Amino acid sequence: DADVTQTPRNRITKTGKRIMLECSQTKGHDRMYWYRQDPGLGLRLIYYSFDVKDINKGEISDGYSVSRQAQAKFSLSLESAIPNQTALYFCATSDPAGGDTQYFGPGTRLTVL
Amino acid sequence: AQSVTQLDSQVPVFEEAPVELRCNYSSSVSVYLFWYVQYPNQGLQLLLKYLSGSTLVKGINGFEAEFNKSQTSFHLRKPSVHISDTAEYFCAYMNTGFQKLVFGTGTRLLVSP
Repeated sequence: DADVTQTPRNRITKTGKRIMLECSQTKGHDRMYWYRQDPGLGLRLIYYSFDVKDINKGEISDGYSVSRQAQAKFSLSLESAIPNQTALYFCATSDPAGGDTQYFGPGTRLTVL
Repeated sequence: AQSVTQLDSQVPVFEEAPVELRCNYSSSVSVYLFWYVQYPNQGLQLLLKYLSGSTLVKGINGFEAEFNKSQTSFHLRKPSVHISDTAEYFCAYMNTGFQKLVFGTGTRLLVSP
């Protein structure tokens, strides 16, 4: 079984809809992250959480919110989706021991029409 | 501003030829450096990382990278590529005090027969 799972893997939605992307991990890591990937732009950090009570904005948090329901679960919400939020979204986890290597989920491809 | 530059957006190469993917970073403090690979329709997988010690780092699938502090570079190399190495490669760094990864824009490696 994969260590970091994301659901759904693909989602098509309409402008104005609320969308939630979910991430679960079995690695036992405290730190979790949400990124978006756009062609030619690499990965950009949306939000990150260093433990259940810690939530921090990344470089592109506008239009997004997150919830850390448990150590293993970190959800990303788009309150009112817009077309320029069409992208590939990745969840990642890390452990500060060993240089904080990040482990990525398989991604969610979101299309906003 | 702190950043990672991958100068080549795409690198075409023939099978069994050597390849170098370039990465330069800009940071005024100590960093950890990473290379990730993304195969088509998959998440990111760690290839190798530099935390400290020997400046030549060996990773999976025959890849290696050399940390050059004076040139602020961390170029990725492989002496003989395979068709299966076709993927997108991301360089990333993390300031040792901030625990957040900063990604480059990626280099697409295209290996042809």
